[in-house]
Amino acid sequence: QSVLTQPPSVSGAAGQSVTISCTGSSSNIGAGYDVHWYQQFPGTAPKLLISGDRDRPSGVPDRFSGSKSGASASLAITGLQADDEADYYCQSFDTSLRGVFGGGTKLTVL
Amino acid sequence: QVRLVQSGTEVQKPGASVKVSCRTSGYTFTDFYVHWVRQAPGQGLEWVGWINPHSGDTNYAQTFQGRVALTGDTSINTAYMEVTGLRPDDTAVYYCAKEAVDNSCFDYWGQGSLVIVSS
Repeated sequence: QSVLTQPPSVSGAAGQSVTISCTGSSSNIGAGYDVHWYQQFPGTAPKLLISGDRDRPSGVPDRFSGSKSGASASLAITGLQADDEADYYCQSFDTSLRGVFGGGTKLTVL
Repeated sequence: QVRLVQSGTEVQKPGASVKVSCRTSGYTFTDFYVHWVRQAPGQGLEWVGWINPHSGDTNYAQTFQGRVALTGDTSINTAYMEVTGLRPDDTAVYYCAKEAVDNSCFDYWGQGSLVIVSS
């Protein structure tokens, strides 16, 4: 059971938007720790998508955006494209400075 | 450019140990924590621990406490993860990742090392 809770799957039609939630607790996200998001394609290493709750690394399209409120965070993807199909993970730290991940969300583009 | 290159696939028997390496380049090794993350087949990401290559300080997930040791060799800019008492459910891809400069995200990842535990 992952420390951070994500929906196992989300789907959306090409061109539409989806949001992936990430729920933590007062021991991690709610304690003020940053939330980061990673995108992973099958057989490859995860890639940083959003850092520090809402910052996009260079090269990440502005279709991807992050937000945080209290002990929860969200990843929004607009203008869905077929190559957005991947697994998405949120990550933060807890008050013992140990890393915590969400269980991952599989995005399907219809 | 920043690169993390990991050692190859390992096949070990239950009860054995394995040591995975993560050779870094393109940045000052001692300036950034290195984290290790595990991914069992078909499963999600699981944080294993971190090492501060400068001080040698470490921090482990409770799941791995006592069975995993993270070390670093600053002379060759390489981090290591050793897992002892291997069990079949340790079969997974293990990733190393560099922590970023301005926040705690993992901005660069190794390609992953597959460890198979089977009798």
